[in-house]
Amino acid sequence: GNSVTQMEGPVTLSEEAFLTINCTYTATGYPSLFWYVQYPGEGLQLLLKATKADDKGSNKGFEATYRKETTSFHLEKGSVQVSDSAVYFCALKAGGTSYGKLTFGQGTILTVHP
Amino acid sequence: DGGITQSPKYLFRKEGQNVTLSCEQNLNHDAMYWYRQDPGQGLRLIYYSQIVNDFQKGDIAEGYSVSREKKESFPLTVTSAQKNPTAFYLCASIDSDTYEQYFGPGTRLTVT
Repeated sequence: GNSVTQMEGPVTLSEEAFLTINCTYTATGYPSLFWYVQYPGEGLQLLLKATKADDKGSNKGFEATYRKETTSFHLEKGSVQVSDSAVYFCALKAGGTSYGKLTFGQGTILTVHP
Repeated sequence: DGGITQSPKYLFRKEGQNVTLSCEQNLNHDAMYWYRQDPGQGLRLIYYSQIVNDFQKGDIAEGYSVSREKKESFPLTVTSAQKNPTAFYLCASIDSDTYEQYFGPGTRLTVT
């Protein structure tokens, strides 16, 4: 079956530090990959996505590259801010399966201190 | 402004009572989803609906029921058969062109 594995959290960083949150996946076919962000008490928002191998998704200084050879989609940001504190979810939509159904990782809590 | 609304934000119920969570969207999306979120477990799919009057069980449908009588609305009923109903519930719809899922703000249900 399809699955997504994220690095264990929580992650605590100082402002302006470099961020990496690892994400690896198992899927049949050619999945699309997503990163969602959830701020406290809110629903999820799409942060970025990539739909095929070697695509790089980017938004708000975050980026992730779809690596088919390592089945990975790691999230990176060069300089985090306090406002980036949130829960980050990696997700996949497997090609050719149930319409739009996403499989989520367990989420990684990020806390950024001033 | 287009989006998804869920109400109420917080809901408290006694054990043994059924409770219905509301989800409304004005994005004109055909497909809608219900997820349950528990700490450290990510999101798990309860039910989804691809079109009006049709819905399918997700990974953890036991103890839940849904209806889809209108395109805009996809209410979720948490029945007394759900053994551990206390959780954060998220509703979503999907843009059929981009496959991006749009989420509501969620309802936190506490059953005591």
